[in-house]
Amino acid sequence: DARVTQTPRHKVTEMGQEVTMRCQPILGHNTVFWYRQTMMQGLELLAYFRNRAPLDDSGMPKDRFSAEMPDATLATLKIQPSEPRDSAVYFCASGTGTSGKGGEQFFGPGTRLTVL
Amino acid sequence: AQSVTQLGSHVSVSEGALVLLRCNYSSSVPPYLFWYVQYPNQGLQLLLKYTTGATLVKGINGFEAEFKKSETSFHLTKPSAHMSDAAEYFCAVSGTSYDKVIFGPGTSLSVIP
Repeated sequence: DARVTQTPRHKVTEMGQEVTMRCQPILGHNTVFWYRQTMMQGLELLAYFRNRAPLDDSGMPKDRFSAEMPDATLATLKIQPSEPRDSAVYFCASGTGTSGKGGEQFFGPGTRLTVL
Repeated sequence: AQSVTQLGSHVSVSEGALVLLRCNYSSSVPPYLFWYVQYPNQGLQLLLKYTTGATLVKGINGFEAEFKKSETSFHLTKPSAHMSDAAEYFCAVSGTSYDKVIFGPGTSLSVIP
């Protein structure tokens, strides 16, 4: 059963520390999305990639967040330095990204980040 | 540009009663429409989707939704609620030429025994 995996599942850190979240998309999927979910803002798209190239990162605070895909099996989201307002659940999702097929996405279980 | 509104951030139904979750969208191109469900402490899972063709779409767990272009709606229904249906439900829209999906704010469904 193919699934999106995310590590770590939980992260508690102190303000100012660097945080790295990792995602392994489903094998064969060429589109990867990063979302942030909070009670106040709901589900926000931070960035997404197709064939490892960033297509849209307009939802991401550029001064502290960065997203990369070093290879087709790994996507990373980094926060440096972290702030308490970054506390949220971060989801990775992957899809086939075929034009005209719409945006069916498969979500990972999320990383719950707490910044003290 | 696409957008999604979901009427009612929280809906409560009795077990065995009809479930109706409302979704309205705006789109400058023919939309693809989705309903996702999120159970506590889990990621989102696709319930059903509309792309083209038949406007009544059936999904998993007995849910279905009907695309009504004239009303720009895609409401989710289930004839008889089960306790296991308690979750957060998200309506979403995307265009035909790209894969970015716009999610609605979500509706929390509670099922009362």
